[in-house]
Amino acid sequence: GENVEQHPSTLSVQEGDSAVIKCTYSDSASNYFPWYKQELGKRPQLIIDIRSNVGEKKDQRIAVTLNKTAKHFSLHITETQPEDSAVYFCAASKSGGYQKVTFGTGTKLQVIP
Amino acid sequence: DVKVTQSSRYLVKRTGEKVFLECVQDMDHENMFWYRQDPGLGLRLIYFSYDVKMKEKGDIPEGYSVSREKKERFSLILESASTNQTSMYLCASRGAGSNYEQYFGPGTRLTVT
Repeated sequence: GENVEQHPSTLSVQEGDSAVIKCTYSDSASNYFPWYKQELGKRPQLIIDIRSNVGEKKDQRIAVTLNKTAKHFSLHITETQPEDSAVYFCAASKSGGYQKVTFGTGTKLQVIP
Repeated sequence: DVKVTQSSRYLVKRTGEKVFLECVQDMDHENMFWYRQDPGLGLRLIYFSYDVKMKEKGDIPEGYSVSREKKERFSLILESASTNQTSMYLCASRGAGSNYEQYFGPGTRLTVT
């Protein structure tokens, strides 16, 4: 089955700096890669996703890159703000709503004001 | 706005008890999932269901069973609760179309003593 590894497990950055979280996956058939953000005491929510037919996707201060050959993908947050502090999860799955999603172990991001 | 609700936010049960966790979604989603969340281990899939009365084992199904008698409701059952099942349990739902976003419930913090 699919295995997703995520690094680092914790990350502290100064407000305004950039943060990068990296994930690798094992199943070359996976083609959908979402990122979820979980604020303290709240439920995970999708912040961005990428499909294997593109290499990069941006949404304001957030971007995700995908390298299918190397089987890794990354989340980039620029100009970090205190409200970016949360746990971030990467995930991988095959396309299709009925497919199971395999999550990474999470990265706790702390943005220091 | 998708709503996924779970029957309890906090639950305390004794070892050996039968425990029911219920999840209800109001978006007519075909797919529903049960995860457990533990520090450092991320979100691990217990079971999922892609249709009424259909179920598939996830990565850690041992000690759990599920029931989906109606499309909107997905129940997780701990037949005989054990202390190592103390955890946060998250339910999620997802449509069958091209939007693969998973919508999570608020979670149930289960403590087994």
